[in-house]
Amino acid sequence: NAGVTQTPKFRILKIGQSMTLQCTQDMNHNYMYWYRQDPGMGLKLIYYSVGAGITDKGEVPNGYNVSRSTTEDFPLRLELAAPSQTSVYFCASSYQGSRTDTQYFGPGTRLTVL
Amino acid sequence: AQSVTQLDSHVSVSEGTPVLLRCNYSSSYSPSLFWYVQHPNKGLQLLLKYTSAATLVKGINGFEAEFKKSETSFHLTKPSAHMSDAAEYFCVVSVLSGYSTLTFGKGTMLLVSP
Repeated sequence: NAGVTQTPKFRILKIGQSMTLQCTQDMNHNYMYWYRQDPGMGLKLIYYSVGAGITDKGEVPNGYNVSRSTTEDFPLRLELAAPSQTSVYFCASSYQGSRTDTQYFGPGTRLTVL
Repeated sequence: AQSVTQLDSHVSVSEGTPVLLRCNYSSSYSPSLFWYVQHPNKGLQLLLKYTSAATLVKGINGFEAEFKKSETSFHLTKPSAHMSDAAEYFCVVSVLSGYSTLTFGKGTMLLVSP
């Protein structure tokens, strides 16, 4: 199993541009998550999904959109990129959404907005 | 609401000496607690987790942590540090409120010198 994969690894955007961060998992997990990690901080939840067709906002959703058309894929869309969105983005997945469930993380996408 | 405080932003040890990374949490509900490790430019890897079974939890690479409810602590220890342990460590609390919410500490950078 490849686990959770993310593309691209690095990206530089200009202010106002848009892009999609891709995330795929091959563990047949129902739950998927997007986090951002800012320097010196822990991860903060942007959006999550409990299954295909079902998504909901996390702690910091502004400026982002998501969709989940399949179990495997959970892309994150940035519209009108802003410098405040410069961060490292992690996708994660888990089989269930229980408090004991382990979340498995991808390697991250490092995004810079100039 | 839950929160996590990692008491040290940086910890420096010599190779072969013990490691102690401190974590305190607060939670209104019975929590699960996790320690994740992040090596430079890598994703997060689960070290160990506590889910209300044994209070002393053993993880990978010789790490262990003890859940102390009376002290609301979940400190991470290792008897003998190895150079490959140099990384950032995150303490994470999970409670179930609709879905599993992970709250991350700000991280502790472990530096290991020869």
